Amino acid sequence: GNSVTQMEGPVTLSEEAFLTINCTYTATGYPSLFWYVQYPGEGLQLLLKATKADDKGSNKGFEATYRKETTSFHLEKGSVQVSDSAVYFCALEGGSEKLVFGKGTKLTVNP
Amino acid sequence: ETGVTQTPRHLVMGMTNKKSLKCEQHLGHNAMYWYKQSAKKPLELMFVYNFKEQTENNSVPSRFSPECPNSSHLFLHLHTLQPEDSALYLCASSLTSKTDSGNTIYFGEGSWLTVV
Repeated sequence: GNSVTQMEGPVTLSEEAFLTINCTYTATGYPSLFWYVQYPGEGLQLLLKATKADDKGSNKGFEATYRKETTSFHLEKGSVQVSDSAVYFCALEGGSEKLVFGKGTKLTVNP
Repeated sequence: ETGVTQTPRHLVMGMTNKKSLKCEQHLGHNAMYWYKQSAKKPLELMFVYNFKEQTENNSVPSRFSPECPNSSHLFLHLHTLQPEDSALYLCASSLTSKTDSGNTIYFGEGSWLTVV
């Protein structure tokens, strides 16, 4: 079945540092890929998505590119802020399976 | 505000109690979901409803009983739960439950359940 592997956290950065959270996937066919974010005490919110190879999803300064050759969808941001502190989930949907999530990566940004 | 509202936000219940979680979506979606989020585990899909009909039950114990009276409302009835059922229960909705559609799923803020 489909699966998502994302880097183990937690990740701690200083404000304005560069962020990368790795995500790789296993799926048949051409899945859609997502990043969701969960701020403290809240539910999950869609951050960005890409539905086909080489698509780049972007939102709030975050970007991720759908790389079929490496089966990856790494999340990046050039300059993180304290307000970006949250848990980030990579997810995919495809074939006959519903949305499958990674375990989440907790990001803490210090001032 | 995602358009998916869950109540209560926090619930503490004994193992012999019966309680219900409620979810309402104002997005005009046709599919609704219950997920369980436990510490250090991936999100677990519990149930899927499409146009009020249950289309997926991921081997969830019968002490969790979902109800979907219409496309906008979803309940999770809880009875004789165990302490290990303590978790964040997330409701979600999407336009369709059809896969391979690039469908975006919108989540509520969750109901924190503690079983004592």
